[in-house]
Amino acid sequence: ETGVTQTPRHLVMGMTNKKSLKCEQHLGHNAMYWYKQSAKKPLELMFVYNFKEQTENNSVPSRFSPECPNSSHLFLHLHTLQPEDSALYLCASSQVTGGGVQETQYFGPGTRLLVL
Amino acid sequence: AQTVTQSQPEMSVQEAETVTLSCTYDTSESDYYLFWYKQPPSRQMILVIRQEAYKQQNATENRFSVNFQKAAKSFSLKISDSQLGDAAMYFCAYRSGETSGSRLTFGEGTQLTVNP
Repeated sequence: ETGVTQTPRHLVMGMTNKKSLKCEQHLGHNAMYWYKQSAKKPLELMFVYNFKEQTENNSVPSRFSPECPNSSHLFLHLHTLQPEDSALYLCASSQVTGGGVQETQYFGPGTRLLVL
Repeated sequence: AQTVTQSQPEMSVQEAETVTLSCTYDTSESDYYLFWYKQPPSRQMILVIRQEAYKQQNATENRFSVNFQKAAKSFSLKISDSQLGDAAMYFCAYRSGETSGSRLTFGEGTQLTVNP
């Protein structure tokens, strides 16, 4: 596998379910990101992890819980979601240099989530 | 806060012809990066081209080139010799050049149709 992979590609869940989205990057990057893409809206940054530490939480509701066990893997744990959370969730990774400069972000194929 | 505006929700072009997608942005920073990403029906975000604000020379990548007008805060994408595979949603994005700047700010996208 190369690049950024995401599983599952499609997910349907009820509002009481608990599920997790997985992202894995094979680029040797040290920063990872979760984005939400809703219909007819620009991509919205949700979370940023640099060197496994969360550096940004863009006012995301607590029903979304990220986890970054190492610099290659990123999870998004979902629980008690709402129908308005239905969207495409994109993962991205990039390299952050020693000076803190972030290089270009590369995206995975996304997980299409439908909350019933 | 930075904003990115794509004023063309939809564009179409004949195969082998040239098309230009518009993007304007608003920022008070002098150091930043601009990107064009392509999102085909597969939904994966693919980097098309990147421009550093400190570089006066317009970036080019094969059939893709930009017209970067820093004073006007304009960053248009020109696709030459359009191919059917170029059909996709195109997003313009901005990122701060500050070491702490990791957020990508996206425009709302332009849906490009390529007619055979």
